[in-house]
Amino acid sequence: RKEVEQDPGPFNVPEGATVAFNCTYSNSASQSFFWYRQDCRKEPKLLMSVYSSGNEDGRFTAQLNRASQYISLLIRDSKLSDSATYLCVVNIWETGGFKTIFGAGTRLFVKA
Amino acid sequence: SAVISQKPSRDICQRGTSLTIQCQVDSQVTMMFWYRQQPGQSLTLIATANQGSEATYESGFVIDKFPISRPNLTFSTLTVSNMSPEDSSIYLCSVEGGRDSTDTQYFGPGTRLTVL
Repeated sequence: RKEVEQDPGPFNVPEGATVAFNCTYSNSASQSFFWYRQDCRKEPKLLMSVYSSGNEDGRFTAQLNRASQYISLLIRDSKLSDSATYLCVVNIWETGGFKTIFGAGTRLFVKA
Repeated sequence: SAVISQKPSRDICQRGTSLTIQCQVDSQVTMMFWYRQQPGQSLTLIATANQGSEATYESGFVIDKFPISRPNLTFSTLTVSNMSPEDSSIYLCSVEGGRDSTDTQYFGPGTRLTVL
């Protein structure tokens, strides 16, 4: 079983739609959680951290459920510019530092 | 977040040769990381570049194939040695840090390597 699993998609949605991505992680020692966005042929860029209380940044809402080891990202009112791959990222604390595990990503296409 | 640059941005190399990729950060950082991302795949950590000591390699990656230097807190190099077509990939350096979270990673623009 992969340490971080995501639905690879692709998700094809019209502009204005609401879309949700899910991610599960297997290591209960996971301590911090992130969503990154990666455009085609570009490096991953931090979209937002994910907190236990849930957090929102404009049209983006992230949720964390530690009991179920589940993370979600909700995008409201999708824009064409939201088309990208969204990576679920988990940090696992180990002796001497943290280990970062990247999910394989979920591809999103937003169409006019 | 730190500004990270990588050189070269891309290269096409012959098998059996070696390529050294440079990563420069505009501020001093403790931890620098080297990742590989093969086409259609997610990121795989190659090694952690430690300043003043040898790099720490992940399972499946060895120093002879991927020697790393970290001469100071703003610079690191990764060499891909004795290349084969299987080494064709994007190589990314990253640093940890940021005002809000010291365990957040920020990435350089990547080096796209094609081995013929």
